[in-house]
Amino acid sequence: KQEVTQIPAALSVPEGENLVLNCSFTDSAIYNLQWFRQDPGKGLTSLLLIQSSQREQTSGRLNASLDKSSGRSTLYIAASQPGDSATYLCAVSERNKLVFGAGTILRVKS
Amino acid sequence: ETGVTQTPRHLVMGMTNKKSLKCEQHLGHNAMYWYKQSAKKPLELMFVYSLEERVENNSVPSRFSPECPNSSHLFLHLHTLQPEDSALYLCASSQKVSPTLAGGPSYEQYFGPGTRLTVT
Repeated sequence: KQEVTQIPAALSVPEGENLVLNCSFTDSAIYNLQWFRQDPGKGLTSLLLIQSSQREQTSGRLNASLDKSSGRSTLYIAASQPGDSATYLCAVSERNKLVFGAGTILRVKS
Repeated sequence: ETGVTQTPRHLVMGMTNKKSLKCEQHLGHNAMYWYKQSAKKPLELMFVYSLEERVENNSVPSRFSPECPNSSHLFLHLHTLQPEDSALYLCASSQKVSPTLAGGPSYEQYFGPGTRLTVT
């Protein structure tokens, strides 16, 4: 059974700092890996999707990497801003479904 | 605007009530999903529909009954729920479900804002 773990569970950083969120998964037979952002009481916003054949994806200040063989992904956020404060969720795609990690709660202090 | 809408956004119901959650996608997708997000637990899949046919039931109790009348609409009918069913229920859609073999093309899922359900 696929298990997805995210470390750290919570992170508090000053504005402007670069940071890395980690995601690991136990079964490497995945279709893709997605990073989402969730604001309190809201739905999910897709940030980046990495297909299983890809190594990384970039969007603005965000960069996500995927090492399928070792079962790891990282989300790098450059020059963090208070507006980046949210819960970040990692999910791996198996046939017909996404399996989610518990998330990392990020707080960026101004 | 995500292209996936859910109503109602908030719902409070008693354990003997019957209610329904509605999801609508405006993206022309063929697959739709229900997920449950409980406090202190990861998001978990409940049901998957592809072209109005249910293709996955993730061991969900029968007090949750999904319905997909067409590829744009998905319902979750609720009856005789328990307080532990209180959660955020999220709907998602994708162009298709994933193919048979891992490593093939896969499709991004787009999520609605969710319905916050409280069972009293």
